[in-house]
Amino acid sequence: QSVLTQPPSASGTPGQRVTISCSGSSSNIGSEGVNWYHQLPGRAPRLLIYYNNQRPSGVPDRFSGSKSGTSASLAISGLRSEDEADYYCAAWDDRLSGMLFGGGTKLTVL
Amino acid sequence: EVRLVESGGGLVQPGGSLRLSCAVSGFTLSDYYIDWVRRAPGKGLEWVGRSRSQAKGYSTDFAASVKGRFSVSRDDSRNSVYLEMNSLRTEDSAMYYCTRTDNSILKDFDYWGQGTLVTVS
Repeated sequence: QSVLTQPPSASGTPGQRVTISCSGSSSNIGSEGVNWYHQLPGRAPRLLIYYNNQRPSGVPDRFSGSKSGTSASLAISGLRSEDEADYYCAAWDDRLSGMLFGGGTKLTVL
Repeated sequence: EVRLVESGGGLVQPGGSLRLSCAVSGFTLSDYYIDWVRRAPGKGLEWVGRSRSQAKGYSTDFAASVKGRFSVSRDDSRNSVYLEMNSLRTEDSAMYYCTRTDNSILKDFDYWGQGTLVTVS
């Protein structure tokens, strides 16, 4: 059972905008930056968003992140078939002195 | 080009030990944190442990599930980080990734290795 809570699944059609939520607490999301990753089948995870809303070079601007209080969200606009993957949020937890991942959200492009 | 390459995975019996290696290139290892993250079959990503930079005294932290059994060491001169795993359990079976963190800009896990598979059976 993950301390960061994500919906297990999400879906959308090509071109649509989808959002994935991540809920935590004051000891993690509430006081630390949130990162987002995705993992395609058989591949290593890839960083999409760091420190709540910063995009690494090479990540399309279709991906955006936001944070409010103890919750965060990842938005994907202009959905493409290649976006079909598992998506994870992560944040450091000050109380546990460890990095926490959400349980993951499987995104399906219909 | 930044690269991380894991090795050392394999099949081990419960209670056994294994040492994973992470060879890095393309950056100065002493300036960065290195974390280990795993993904068990059918499950999500799980953080295993962290080795901080030289500036942070090479301090470490571990997940509660592995604390006391796993340790991390690094040899900056050999550009390598090692995950020592003892008293292995079946639930430690997973793909293990090493990943880099640039703490100066709070950029966690910006580069990942391809992973090395550990099977405890």
